[in-house]
Amino acid sequence: AQTVTQSQPEMSVQEAETVTLSCTYDTSESDYYLFWYKQPPSRQMILVIRQEAYKQQNATENRFSVNFQKAAKSFSLKISDSQLGDAAMYFCAYRHQGFGNEKLTFGTGTRLTIIP
Amino acid sequence: GAGVSQSPRYKVAKRGQDVALRCDPISGHVSLFWYQQALGQGPEFLTYFQNEAQLDKSGLPSDRFFAERPEGSVSTLKIQRTQQEDSAVYLCASSSGLAGVNEQFFGPGTRLTVL
Repeated sequence: AQTVTQSQPEMSVQEAETVTLSCTYDTSESDYYLFWYKQPPSRQMILVIRQEAYKQQNATENRFSVNFQKAAKSFSLKISDSQLGDAAMYFCAYRHQGFGNEKLTFGTGTRLTIIP
Repeated sequence: GAGVSQSPRYKVAKRGQDVALRCDPISGHVSLFWYQQALGQGPEFLTYFQNEAQLDKSGLPSDRFFAERPEGSVSTLKIQRTQQEDSAVYLCASSSGLAGVNEQFFGPGTRLTVL
């Protein structure tokens, strides 16, 4: 079974600075997807960024980028120019690539605080 | 609708009561998922539908949990004889069911408190 580990329960960053959230995972599969989800206090989970394991290039979405190290099974999220609206719980998630087996396996989350 | 909706948003039940939680997925989405999120934890998979077929129910914690999606749209998660350990936020998500990355869109969740 796949497992996802987030070793930082809480992180804080000054507004406009950069912060990196860590995630490691364990799998025996070679093809899979990885995601970072954001869950603000209102609870609705929002997709931040995703990475296909077969792609060597790290995904980027505006201020959000990932450092995907497949051999190390590491998938960290970098948030640049942090904004107050970035404050939330961040969850790393894994998904098998195969069709019909789409459940997400989540880590325990990192609570990000933005300091004005 | 514009997004995934869930009702009720909050539910308080006395131990031993039965509850029913509803999920309305995004119109046209084939796949529907239920997750359970305990306080301070990440969501954990409960069950998965493709249209009306329940393809995976491996995450249901006991036979007190039952989910259905009879017409391939709205889904209901039923918990019989609720216990205190059932207290959690129950999240529903839907996706298009197409091949590929197939993003899951989440609803706001139902917070269940069992007294």
